[in-house]
Amino acid sequence: GQNIDQPTEMTATEGAIVQINCTYQTSGFNGLFWYQQHAGEAPTFLSYNVLDGLEEKGRFSSFLSRSKGYSYLLLKELQMKDSASYLCAPMDSNYQLIWGAGTKLIIKP
Amino acid sequence: GAVVSQHPSWVICKSGTSVKIECRSLDFQATTMFWYRQFPKQSLMLMATSNEGSKATYEQGVEKDKFLINHASLTLSTLTVTSAHPEDSSFYICSARPPGTDTGELFFGEGSRLTVL
Repeated sequence: GQNIDQPTEMTATEGAIVQINCTYQTSGFNGLFWYQQHAGEAPTFLSYNVLDGLEEKGRFSSFLSRSKGYSYLLLKELQMKDSASYLCAPMDSNYQLIWGAGTKLIIKP
Repeated sequence: GAVVSQHPSWVICKSGTSVKIECRSLDFQATTMFWYRQFPKQSLMLMATSNEGSKATYEQGVEKDKFLINHASLTLSTLTVTSAHPEDSSFYICSARPPGTDTGELFFGEGSRLTVL
């Protein structure tokens, strides 16, 4: 079956760094997306990894290891506005995104 | 980036009535749009894939007679929740990709929060 595993909730301090891990099992693989979703809003795109390695985009970086079925999202210099849910979504062989429940990140001053 | 817009953002209706939600791609043509439903603290659940000019493809367990999808043009897909009941209260979100980008970013509408009394 297809499965996504992310921590349910994480807490971090403003200005710090946090890493959100994701392990996945899918039928085929066409890359992995990270989305941010604020409460009551639709998801917004953060990153897409299809090859192994680290993709850096400003304060956010995303890493992928296809052999391990593992990805992480790294958020630096945390700001209060980063409080949101972070969704790891691998794409299967049919180009369908597989969604988990996401990780709720709480930023404290 | 590409823009997808949904309307209405909020809707409250009485049990037994039907509600229509519109999803528009504003700056690209979308032959395929995706309809999701999300209950509080749960993951996005794909309900159906809307195909322009043909029937929608529904996911297992989703009643196609209850959730009517029409994709009449390359920029508009509609989801009609027929004979809505309180258990249909949820956050409904549409998404689409620009053509030729099967592995590209999925652009989401703002979402529509349905409350059935």
